[in-house]
Amino acid sequence: EPEVTQTPSHQVTQMGQEVILRCVPISNHLYFYWYRQILGQKVEFLVSFYNNEISEKSEIFDDQFSVERPDGSNFTLKIRSTKLEDSAMYFCASRRQNSGYGYTFGSGTRLTVV
Amino acid sequence: GESVGLHLPTLSVQEGDNSIINCAYSNSASDYFIWYKQESGKGPQFIIDIRSNMDKRQGQRVTVLLNKTVKHLSLQIAATQPGDSAVYFCAENSNNAGNMLTFGGGTRLMVKP
Repeated sequence: EPEVTQTPSHQVTQMGQEVILRCVPISNHLYFYWYRQILGQKVEFLVSFYNNEISEKSEIFDDQFSVERPDGSNFTLKIRSTKLEDSAMYFCASRRQNSGYGYTFGSGTRLTVV
Repeated sequence: GESVGLHLPTLSVQEGDNSIINCAYSNSASDYFIWYKQESGKGPQFIIDIRSNMDKRQGQRVTVLLNKTVKHLSLQIAATQPGDSAVYFCAENSNNAGNMLTFGGGTRLMVKP
């Protein structure tokens, strides 16, 4: 079964450093997403990406965040200057066009900011 | 603001029994609902979905019920197995929210052998 692949599985970084979280969506999917889950809290929407541009973003997705699809397979989330409160699980998801909203999620990257 | 299923209760059931996991939502404009299963260290896994023009949908061992009058969603798991142990999230979308999903707080299901 096709999977969304995320790397690394765990990233530890110092406050103020830049991090890039990587995702390889399912190859025939056209819509890409980042969500995050702070420990013990709900999964929260960050951003959606379609046709090489951001289609929606939440209030969480401020100027410190950016997304990119640098080639035909990768989808990245960059946090420019990490804060302690950015510590969370970050999930990438993708879906086919016309598949409804039943996304396929990756296994996540646990980001720990120290 | 609008919210979905703020609680994270724990449901403990005996293997072989049926499980019912509940979710309340508050956005009356929600028109699409999904149940996800999340096992430890993994991402949310799609289980079943339902649109607001339906009140019941069945899958393999799972049934989702939607009561729009009271804004309530439930997931029924028949003959619960140890492999069903996980956290279950409901999520919703509305036409005016684009592609984003709003997740509930989750319910932990523990299956006792």
